[in-house]
Amino acid sequence: AQTVTQSQPEMSVQEAETVTLSCTYDTSESDYYLFWYKQPPSRQMILVIRQEAYKQQNATENRFSVNFQKAAKSFSLKISDSQLGDAAMYFCAYRPRPYSGGGADGLTFGKGTHLIIQP
Amino acid sequence: NAGVTQTPKFQVLKTGQSMTLQCAQDMNHNSMYWYRQDPGMGLRLIYYSASEGTTDKGEVPNGYNVSRLNKREFSLRLESAAPSQTSVYFCASSDPRGATVMNTEAFFGQGTRLTVV
Repeated sequence: AQTVTQSQPEMSVQEAETVTLSCTYDTSESDYYLFWYKQPPSRQMILVIRQEAYKQQNATENRFSVNFQKAAKSFSLKISDSQLGDAAMYFCAYRPRPYSGGGADGLTFGKGTHLIIQP
Repeated sequence: NAGVTQTPKFQVLKTGQSMTLQCAQDMNHNSMYWYRQDPGMGLRLIYYSASEGTTDKGEVPNGYNVSRLNKREFSLRLESAAPSQTSVYFCASSDPRGATVMNTEAFFGQGTRLTVV
């Protein structure tokens, strides 16, 4: 079974600075997807960024970028120019990709990192 | 565009009562999921359905049943609620495994906060 580990229960950063959230995962598969989701106090789960395992290039979405290290099974999220609206829980998630007529589906989530933005 | 709609948003049950959480999506997705979120635990998969008429157990299926009524709707039933089932429940949908990267994300409902006393 896959596991996702987020080792930082809480992180704090000054507004306008950069912060990196860590995520490691364990899988025996070679092809999969990785995601970062944001959950503000409203409870809504919002996709921040996605990464395909077979693509070497790190994904970026505006102020959000990832550092994907496949061999190390590491998938960290960097938030640049932090804004007050970035304050939320952030979850790293894994989903296997190949569909060969069976096998489990669904996202496996880490336990989350609570990001605090200091004004 | 409603996306994924869950009802109810809040519910209080007494131990032993039963209830069904409803979920519907309008994105024509084949795959649907039920997760529970507990403090400090992240989201854990209860059941999923890869297509209409099929369901499979996830990580924490005990105490729950599901029904994939049609392509749009996927319900979660608690037959005899227990305090350990106090949680926030999320329904989600997505394209199936094997989809292109732009279509593989899961879309979530707003969640149901369930308290069992």
